[in-house]
Amino acid sequence: RKEVEQDPGPFNVPEGATVAFNCTYSNSASQSFFWYRQDCRKEPKLLMSVYSSGNEDGRFTAQLNRASQYISLLIRDSKLSDSATYLCVVISGGSSNTGKLIFGQGTTLQVKP
Amino acid sequence: ETGVTQSPTHLIKTRGQQVTLRCSSQSGHNTVSWYQQALGQGPQFIFQYYREEENGRGNFPPRFSGLQFPNYSSELNVNALELDDSALYLCASSNYGYTFGSGTRLTVV
Repeated sequence: RKEVEQDPGPFNVPEGATVAFNCTYSNSASQSFFWYRQDCRKEPKLLMSVYSSGNEDGRFTAQLNRASQYISLLIRDSKLSDSATYLCVVISGGSSNTGKLIFGQGTTLQVKP
Repeated sequence: ETGVTQSPTHLIKTRGQQVTLRCSSQSGHNTVSWYQQALGQGPQFIFQYYREEENGRGNFPPRFSGLQFPNYSSELNVNALELDDSALYLCASSNYGYTFGSGTRLTVV
C-alpha cells in the first residue's frame, strides 16, 4: 500500500463547478499535511497547508480528518486557470522543515469553458 | 523565480553512463532534498541533506548518491544509468517550508 493515495482522475469539469479531491495516508504519526499544485512540466508549488480545524484560502478549502487519515481539497467556482495536477503531501520523519515530503500520485483537473 | 536553481534543465544520456545534476538553493536553507518524478507519478523522495550530511534516504539504490556543499549548493549523482531513470529530478530546499527548483528532465536512451 502506498503511503499517500489519491484518485489520479482526470477530473473534467465546466467553469464554475465545485470539485473535491480526496487523499488518504497510512502513517498515523504524520503531523504535517499540504496540497501542492503542479502545472504541466513545471515544479510543484505549495497551494496550502492543511489543518485539523480546516482552512480556507479564497475558493480553496482544505480539511484533515486524523481519525480516518483522510485529507480533502475543495475548489469552488472553478476557473480555467485551476487546470493542473494537485498533489497531496504528507511530511514523514521530522518537522515541516526537516522531514521528507511524501507525495501522492496527483489528481489531474481539467476545467473546460 | 523560486530562489532554487537547477542545472541543466534538460539532459540526454546513454544507458550505462553517469550523470551529475546540480542545485543551488537560497542562503540559509540548510536542508536540501532530491526527488524523482516519473511521468504520470508524484515525486518520489531520493534523499535529504542537512548541513552537508545525509539524514534520510528513500528506496533508491546506492548508485544514486549526493553531496551538499557549504555554499548551499548540492549535487545528485547517478551511476550506471538505466532506462527507468528517465524522469524529472527535483531539488527542494527548506528553511521554513520547502521551495522546489524547476527541475532537470533526464532522458536515458
